[in-house]
Amino acid sequence: GENVGLHLPTLSVQEGDNSIINCAYSNSASDYFIWYKQESGKGPQFIIDIRSNMDKRQGQRVTVLLNKTVKHLSLQIAATQPGDSAVYFCAESFNNAGNMLTFGGGTRLMVKP
Amino acid sequence: SQTIHQWPATLVQPVGSPLSLECTVEGTSNPNLYWYRQAAGRGLQLLFYSVGIGQISSEVPQNLSASRPQDRQFILSSKKLLLSDSGFYLCAWSVDEKLFFGSGTQLSVL
Repeated sequence: GENVGLHLPTLSVQEGDNSIINCAYSNSASDYFIWYKQESGKGPQFIIDIRSNMDKRQGQRVTVLLNKTVKHLSLQIAATQPGDSAVYFCAESFNNAGNMLTFGGGTRLMVKP
Repeated sequence: SQTIHQWPATLVQPVGSPLSLECTVEGTSNPNLYWYRQAAGRGLQLLFYSVGIGQISSEVPQNLSASRPQDRQFILSSKKLLLSDSGFYLCAWSVDEKLFFGSGTQLSVL
């Protein structure tokens, strides 16, 4: 379910390094996964998505990896920039739930110059 | 292209006062619409969703209500606000599973 009661874990990285943000999901029937980026005071923005028939998908500077065996999802950001500082949320859905997204608790990424 | 408008951006209301937050979507027909709440430094909590005019599903019992008087309009209301209603309220619409969020309303109940 939604981890709305948890404080956000924080990942701190140096500018230029690669970032890896992890997400564990609980529903083995989930077949669609999505990552959102939320900057302070703004609504979440879509970054990248992946379906369960894939284990990797690449975008611009971002890669999403899906390991269905251990129910783990990760977002990799290459050459992290100060503008990447934000809270990142993963979300999952499965067909039988009417395509309703269930959000993870979020991870705060802080980029040090 | 589709856009979502949500207002106001910030709102300060006294305890016991009513609330009305409005959200409209442009560029799409019969969207699924959602209201989420986010406490400071926390995750997203789904409050209501709607698959059509007059059709509202509530996910969490509370003193808030939602209405959808028109296809692309979604309203979040309360008759009497509580301190615990403070938070960041987000409207969203969806295409298939993908959600698109509005800019949010920061509500402070004092």
